Amino acid sequence: QVQLQESGPGLVKPSETLSLTCGVSGASISSSNWWAWVRQSPGKGLEWIGEIDHSGITNYNPSLKSRVTMSVDKSKNQFSLNLSSVTAADTAVYYCARELYSRGQAFGMDVWGQGTTLTVSS
Amino acid sequence: EIVLTQSPGTLSLSPGERATLSCRASQSVSSSYVAWYQQKRGQAPRLLIYGASSRATGVPDRFSGSESGTDFTLTISRLEPEDFAVYYCQQYGNSPYTFGQGTKLEIK
Repeated sequence: QVQLQESGPGLVKPSETLSLTCGVSGASISSSNWWAWVRQSPGKGLEWIGEIDHSGITNYNPSLKSRVTMSVDKSKNQFSLNLSSVTAADTAVYYCARELYSRGQAFGMDVWGQGTTLTVSS
Repeated sequence: EIVLTQSPGTLSLSPGERATLSCRASQSVSSSYVAWYQQKRGQAPRLLIYGASSRATGVPDRFSGSESGTDFTLTISRLEPEDFAVYYCQQYGNSPYTFGQGTKLEIK
């Protein structure tokens, strides 16, 4: 059974850089799938932040692109999100998810972590 | 960026009734790459439908998806108590991938 687990600081000060990690178990991060980050602000909907594949190719949401960096660590079977210059508007639940691909076709985000709450406050 | 508009914002129905949720895209979605997710309070979203009309693994057959041009529909044929939740559509055919604002399905 594939499982994803986010880890992060919980609280970050304004202007600092947020760092989150998603550990993958039950599957190899080196598969054909992509790995994504999605966030959900309090009482609001879902926002796709971006995605990364096992080789490190990334695709970011233009609304966050100037502040986002994603990376993959194959040795630890995990991937990470860095978001710089955070403000209160970045307060949200952050989810990592698997974007399932097979034979060149995409099948949506089929596995999600349970989410980690990030608060930006001084 | 493709904007997805879901309607209605809230749908009040009783168990056993049929639910029809709509999602309209601002432009054509590549390869009909539209998914539907169910989210319950305090939980991560759960994939229900991918490719506009294919059920994900383990999803009951009372859930079905359809498309007509840029209009996408999620139908729950006979509501069970556990189906009352928030539903989101998502397009993943054109980057940036975007979500609708959600439809809350509540018990009448």
